[in-house]
Amino acid sequence: AQSVTQLGSHVSVSEGALVLLRCNYSSSVPPYLFWYVQYPNQGLQLLLKYTTGATLVKGINGFEAEFKKSETSFHLTKPSAHMSDAAEYFCAVSLYSSASKIIFGSGTRLSIRP
Amino acid sequence: DGGITQSPKYLFRKEGQNVTLSCEQNLNHDAMYWYRQDPGQGLRLIYYSQIVNDFQKGDIAEGYSVSREKKESFPLTVTSAQKNPTAFYLCASSTGFINQPQHFGDGTRLSIL
Repeated sequence: AQSVTQLGSHVSVSEGALVLLRCNYSSSVPPYLFWYVQYPNQGLQLLLKYTTGATLVKGINGFEAEFKKSETSFHLTKPSAHMSDAAEYFCAVSLYSSASKIIFGSGTRLSIRP
Repeated sequence: DGGITQSPKYLFRKEGQNVTLSCEQNLNHDAMYWYRQDPGQGLRLIYYSQIVNDFQKGDIAEGYSVSREKKESFPLTVTSAQKNPTAFYLCASSTGFINQPQHFGDGTRLSIL
């Protein structure tokens, strides 16, 4: 069975500091992985996705994620945090058992300190 | 611009009432989904549809019903059988291919009067 785990329900960083949000997946087959961002009272917006090919994936708003098969990880990073990055972030994996379904992690709330 | 429209943004329900949440997409996507989000929690799948006139229960379908009569539309009815309906409801769509992401609407917040 496939699953995704986000480590840390809340992460707080200073403005200008490195952002690191952790995501580990479980899958017996090559996974398709996604990161989404959710601002208050809004829907989810796709930040980036990993399907095949290059393991370092660049997304919107300066975020990137690296697929590491040996560590079963897909951590999200941004070199320098901005106040506007404060939001909820969700890691997700596609389910092979049903081509249409995606499993979401429980989310990590990112706070930015001035 | 293509996208997903959910309406209304805020909805109030009296005890014992059924309410219907609207979801329309113009992305020409085959698959559509309804999720429920509670404070501090992730997304839980209520129903999904991979094609017109067909839909499947998700993880928390009890107390909810859906229809998929048109490709563009996937309304969700919260029935009186749903005892704790207060939540944020999100609609999404996708091409249905495993390597493609889901696209989300802006959500409907349902509250009990």
